[in-house]
Amino acid sequence: EVQLVETGGGLVQPGRSLKLSCVASGFTFNNYWMSWTRQAPGKGLEWVASITNSGGSTYYPDSVKGRFTISRDNAQNTLYLQMNSLRSEDTATYYCTRGRGRYYFDYWGQGVMVTVSS
Amino acid sequence: DIQMTQSPASLSASLGETISIECRASEDIYSNLAWYQQKSGKSPQLLIYAANRLQDGVPSRFSGSGSGTQYSLKISGMQPEDEGDYFCLQGSKFPYTFGAGTKLELK
Repeated sequence: EVQLVETGGGLVQPGRSLKLSCVASGFTFNNYWMSWTRQAPGKGLEWVASITNSGGSTYYPDSVKGRFTISRDNAQNTLYLQMNSLRSEDTATYYCTRGRGRYYFDYWGQGVMVTVSS
Repeated sequence: DIQMTQSPASLSASLGETISIECRASEDIYSNLAWYQQKSGKSPQLLIYAANRLQDGVPSRFSGSGSGTQYSLKISGMQPEDEGDYFCLQGSKFPYTFGAGTKLELK
């Protein structure tokens, strides 16, 4: 059974940093692209970052480019999201997702809440 | 960026009714479209990918169609467990973008 378990969320002040982790199990982690997607309270979904199966390439929307960094440790079956210079608009539930090819996300974690507030 | 315009924003359907949800892309996305269902307080679940391919384990009353810029999700026979929010996703070009969502309720 595919499982994605996110940790690392919490309350953080604007301008500070936070690092999310996602431990994967039930599949061969290094065969899959992985991504982060977020959902602000009561709002829709926003893609945040993707990384190729080898970790050699990463992709971001302009809203987080230069502030967020996605990475992975294939030996530990773990995906990361380093978030710097956090803003109030980054407040959301962050989901770790597995790629179905490069085009879609087929499995989602339970999500972890990040609140950016003073 | 590719804009995904989803309609309607909300929908109320009777038990057994057939409903459709539409997504229109601002440019051709070459069928690189997925549909997700999100129940209250839960993570999204993949229903359809590549515009019309049913994800394993998803009931056959769900179907997808479309090409180019116009896509639709059909539920043939509304069931109580189908209540929730539905989103489309285009994976054709970065940045990936989602539709704003459709809230589906049982009448």
